[in-house]
Amino acid sequence: DVKVTQSSRYLVKRTGEKVFLECVQDMDHENMFWYRQDPGLGLRLIYFSYDVKMKEKGDIPEGYSVSREKKERFSLILESASTNQTSMYLCASRGYFGQGLYEQYFGPGTRLTVT
Amino acid sequence: KNEVEQSPQNLTAQEGEFITINCSYSVGISALHWLQQHPGGGIVSLFMLSSGKKKHGRLIATINIQEKHSSLHITASHPRDSAVYICAVLSGNTPLVFGKGTRLSVIA
Repeated sequence: DVKVTQSSRYLVKRTGEKVFLECVQDMDHENMFWYRQDPGLGLRLIYFSYDVKMKEKGDIPEGYSVSREKKERFSLILESASTNQTSMYLCASRGYFGQGLYEQYFGPGTRLTVT
Repeated sequence: KNEVEQSPQNLTAQEGEFITINCSYSVGISALHWLQQHPGGGIVSLFMLSSGKKKHGRLIATINIQEKHSSLHITASHPRDSAVYICAVLSGNTPLVFGKGTRLSVIA
């Protein structure tokens, strides 16, 4: 079974703190994604990566950065946490399924509260 | 960018009812995903479709590529089916584009 794990299920941080959210996948997938999920707004893409050391901005990258030093690990960084970054953060990993199709797997999510 | 619309946004059903959730999209795709998220839970992939119909237990997913439309059906609904159902579309190796989800509550 594909496994995507995230470092914490719940996290409480103070405004201005630097926050690291870690995601690890065990299927040798090249594609990895970070999303945030908010009521009424659905899933929104923050950053993604198609290979080691590669990163692409998603729809809402402001206030975030990412790091992909190893294929299995994709980190999301909040340089200076703010209250509007309180959200559920979901990591996903995607592998090629064949015939032009890709299958995506989600981590369990990290609920981050910034006070 | 593809626009993905789901309907209804919220749905309440009695146990045993047949349920349909709809998804439409604006641009041609290579595949469509149906995802499920229980309250407080993670996101699980139910189906990935590129054509036709798939069935898994009481869940059936269909897609009409020409009409750019997919439906998720639940037969003999049960309270444990209560969850948010999310449609997402894929075009090649680009990020998934998600609908906003349908919140389903099944009452015993």
